[in-house]
Amino acid sequence: AQKVTQAQTEISVVEKEDVTLDCVYETRDTTYYLFWYKQPPSGELVFLIRRNSFDEQNEISGRYSWNFQKSTSSFNFTITASQVVDSAVYFCALSEAGETSGSRLTFGEGTQLTVNP
Amino acid sequence: EPEVTQTPSHQVTQMGQEVILRCVPISNHLYFYWYRQILGQKVEFLVSFYNNEISEKSEIFDDQFSVERPDGSNFTLKIRSTKLEDSAMYFCASSDQFTGELFFGEGSRLTVL
Repeated sequence: AQKVTQAQTEISVVEKEDVTLDCVYETRDTTYYLFWYKQPPSGELVFLIRRNSFDEQNEISGRYSWNFQKSTSSFNFTITASQVVDSAVYFCALSEAGETSGSRLTFGEGTQLTVNP
Repeated sequence: EPEVTQTPSHQVTQMGQEVILRCVPISNHLYFYWYRQILGQKVEFLVSFYNNEISEKSEIFDDQFSVERPDGSNFTLKIRSTKLEDSAMYFCASSDQFTGELFFGEGSRLTVL
């Protein structure tokens, strides 16, 4: 069975600080996909990134960066120079890559990030 | 930019009533999903739908739930006889390949009294 653990329930930082959100996953599949979603107070789910299990290169997109390490089954997300608008719940998710499973995502519990001015 | 749309945004119903939540997926997508998020909890998979049939469902998706694609554009989730514990945000999603990015709608909040 798949499992995603986001050990940090809540994080509070001051604007311009860097913050890292941790994500640890469990799966028996050799091929899988990892995702991060942002859920602002308005409630929608905003896609941030998808990474397949064969691509361990770190990725940077503006102030966002992701560190994927298969050896530790982790897919951590860092926000550099955080801003108040980054305040949201962030979910890490995992999907297997079976032919008929579609994108059945297993979500973590989420990390509530609060960025204070 | 194409988007998944959901109606209603919020529905209040009495326990035991039937509820239908509607979704219009992105037009060229082939895979459709419903997810649920009880307030303050994580997002949970309910069901995936492909080629006019359910491809996978979770243990949450019991006989009280059904999905349908009645025409070429809508994708619906029906809850036959709502219970208090069905109160949640229901997200519809679609994707254009089986391991692609899921595009989520803005959600339909269901409140069962």
